Parts: sequence; structure tokens; C-alpha cells
Amino acid sequence: DGGITQSPKYLFRKEGQNVTLSCEQNLNHDAMYWYRQDPGQGLRLIYYSQIVNDFQKGDIAEGYSVSREKKESFPLTVTSAQKNPTAFYLCASSLKVAGPETQYFGPGTRLLVL
Amino acid sequence: QKEVEQNSGPLSVPEGAIASLNCTYSDRGSQSFFWYRQYSGKSPELIMFIYSNGDKEDGRFTAQLNKASQYVSLLIRDSQPSDSATYLCAVKWGGSEKLVFGKGTKLTVNP
Repeated sequence: DGGITQSPKYLFRKEGQNVTLSCEQNLNHDAMYWYRQDPGQGLRLIYYSQIVNDFQKGDIAEGYSVSREKKESFPLTVTSAQKNPTAFYLCASSLKVAGPETQYFGPGTRLLVL
Repeated sequence: QKEVEQNSGPLSVPEGAIASLNCTYSDRGSQSFFWYRQYSGKSPELIMFIYSNGDKEDGRFTAQLNKASQYVSLLIRDSQPSDSATYLCAVKWGGSEKLVFGKGTKLTVNP
């Protein structure tokens, strides 16, 4: 059963704490993405990766970090430098970055600040 | 700055009617266009994509692209209450690695 999984579904962060959101895909896609969605807003790109061990900043990368050690996995760390982290975080993947490739989304992680 | 604009709505239609959702984009040279449906609290799911001018039909859904006027629309025929959701338009420009999303139009189909 192919798809994208994200965990946890809900995550609570305390002030000054770093938290990591998991994203795994078994679609054999090269490209993976992280988006943030705030209420009434469109999706904003945080980071993306075209290939293992390579990633690029999106439009709102400050306060976030990523790694891509395996093709299947693209975890996102929300650092303490991100002052307004409360949002719905969506991971996506596509066959590749270039060209008109469709992006498919995981179920999302909702991050809340305590 | 490439932008994608959608009427935030809400758009309300009666069951069985045609719902028309519109999207405009800021820059010519765009390559591909995507419509996603997002139910409240859920992640976006792809409905359709379109690359060429004209219409593309898939079941009750029709995407219409007019590159000269820089708009893309989604028509939903025989609207059902289960179609009630926010519809996101996304555009990928040629040569770009990024997909740019509109803020979405909230559709409500009334029984």
C-alpha cells in the first residue's frame, strides 16, 4: 500500500524546545517537500529535496532544518528560533522536482505551542 | 513575484448545481496547473491537473485553462454535499522547482 506517512498527528512544543516531524514515503519518489499551512492561508514552502543528501530552502526556511539521509525519509525539525510555529505541517513528494510533476501529500502534523 | 489568486469565498451552491471555481495567476510562461481538494482538518488531495489550453474532463470535474487570459477554472457538475471543501489552485512555472498555491476557495454544497 503505497503512500506518504507523517507522524505524529499532533505535536506539542514547549518554549525553547526543538521538535522533529517525521515524513516517510514508499512511492519511490526522488523529490520531497515540506509546507506550512496557517488558517485561511495557502501552503508555503519551507524546504524541498531533489535527491538524497541534498536540499534547498523554500520561501520560509528560517527557524527550520531538514535532512535527507534516505530516499524514503525527509524529517523536519522546528527549532526554538521559529517564534510562531503553530501551524499545520504538510509533507509532499513527487517523482522529481523538475517538470510538471504532481505532488502528493501526507496526512499532516498539527503543531501546537504549550 | 509569482502569485496565484483565488476568491476565498465562501461559495455556496445547491445540490445538483454546477460549481465554478476560478484562479488567476500573475506571470505568463506558466507550465502546469493543479487543482487540489482539502476537507477541513485534512491534507490536500489532487483532483486534476491541466497543461494545455482548453478543457479537460474527469467525471464530474472539468478544468479549463486559458493561458492568454491567465486563468484556470474548475467546474463541478451535479454538485454533492460531499464536494463541500476548500479547493486549492496551484501553478508551476516552467523552469521553476516550486509549486505556488492560492489561498483556496471554500465551497459549500447545500442539500
